[in-house]
Amino acid sequence: AQTVTQSQPEMSVQEAETVTLSCTYDTSESNYYLFWYKQPPSRQMILVIRQEAYKQQNATENRFSVNFQKAAKSFSLKISDSQLGDTAMYFCAFMKVQGAQKLVFGQGTRLTINP
Amino acid sequence: EPEVTQTPSHQVTQMGQEVILRCVPISNHLYFYWYRQILGQKVEFLVSFYNNEISEKSEIFDDQFSVERPDGSNFTLKIRSTKLEDSAMYFCASSFTGFEQYFGPGTRLTVT
Repeated sequence: AQTVTQSQPEMSVQEAETVTLSCTYDTSESNYYLFWYKQPPSRQMILVIRQEAYKQQNATENRFSVNFQKAAKSFSLKISDSQLGDTAMYFCAFMKVQGAQKLVFGQGTRLTINP
Repeated sequence: EPEVTQTPSHQVTQMGQEVILRCVPISNHLYFYWYRQILGQKVEFLVSFYNNEISEKSEIFDDQFSVERPDGSNFTLKIRSTKLEDSAMYFCASSFTGFEQYFGPGTRLTVT
């Protein structure tokens, strides 16, 4: 079974700063996807970024980028120039390529951006 | 931009009652999912549905739960006899490829 661990329950930074959220996972699969989802106070889950395990290049989406270290089974999210609207719970998630593609989520990191 | 919708946004029910949670996935999507999130905990997979049948279900998804796609647009989750521990946020998700999943806003279920 796959497990996803987010070791930072809460983080807080000032607006415009850069922040990095950590995620590690455990799997015996060789091919899989990793995701970061954002859950603002409205509770809706919003896809932020995804990474295919077979790609060595780290994914980027505007101010959001990942540092994917496959050997270390690490998948961190970096938010640059943080904005007040980035305040949310952030969940790291794992998905096997084979099978029914269910998402396995970590426990989440509550990120607060302070003005 | 197309989005997944869910109704109702909040449902209060008494223990032992049946509830049906409704979802309208994005129209050209082929894969459908239900997840739940007990307050303060992580999101947990319940069931996935493809080609009009369940493709995978979790241990949580016991005989009290069922899913249906009754009319080609809606996707429902039924809980036959609710328990206090079923109180949670229930999220529907859909996907075209089976990989990128798009979530609805959730239904908060409160069982009293």
